[in-house]
Amino acid sequence: QVQLQESGPGLVKPSETLSLTCSVSGGSIGSYYLSWIRQPPGKGLEWIGYMYYSGSTNYNPSLKSRVTISVDASKRHFSLKLSAVTAADTAVYYCARDRTTLMGMDVWGQGTTVTVSS
Amino acid sequence: QSVLTQPPSASGTPGQRVTISCSGDSSNIGSNYVFWYQHLPGAAPKLLIYRISQRPSGVPDRFSGSKSGTSASLAISGLRSEDEADYYCASWDDSLSGWVFGGGTKVTVL
Repeated sequence: QVQLQESGPGLVKPSETLSLTCSVSGGSIGSYYLSWIRQPPGKGLEWIGYMYYSGSTNYNPSLKSRVTISVDASKRHFSLKLSAVTAADTAVYYCARDRTTLMGMDVWGQGTTVTVSS
Repeated sequence: QSVLTQPPSASGTPGQRVTISCSGDSSNIGSNYVFWYQHLPGAAPKLLIYRISQRPSGVPDRFSGSKSGTSASLAISGLRSEDEADYYCASWDDSLSGWVFGGGTKVTVL
């Protein structure tokens, strides 16, 4: 059973870069995508972007200029980098195995809270 | 402002049927599958319905999904206290080339 776990700093200063890691255990994400999603306080879910197992990426147009998703050589640690953060980037960040538009996001991490504040 | 529109809240007594709507347009719901996620406080979101009306293994058949045109619905029959959660609809958007979500509907069991 594949499990995902997000990790990273809980506090980031405005204008700095938010960096999170999604660690995969109990298997691999297989030939699927790894998506990042966030939920600002009191708001709904927002898709940030994904990386395909081959390494290709696709980002939400509203965040594209600031987002980078990458993976290490083991394919077990996916990273999310969001640059020039503001208070509007304060949110719970989730990673999820994305089995495409046919099957949806079927495995999610517990989420990690990131606060942007000086 | 979410791309997909959901009512902010819905409620019912135990045993009742509750329906949640999700409205989109031709670039998302109108031309792609709809998914529903259940989000309990402090927990990871859980895939509840995929491909409009399919249930993953382990999801009770009290949960059902449907779609008509550019709108979709999630129905919860035989409402139970453990169904209290936030429910989100999602779909692929061809114009944005990405996933879009609804704003979420909080279901309360009275």
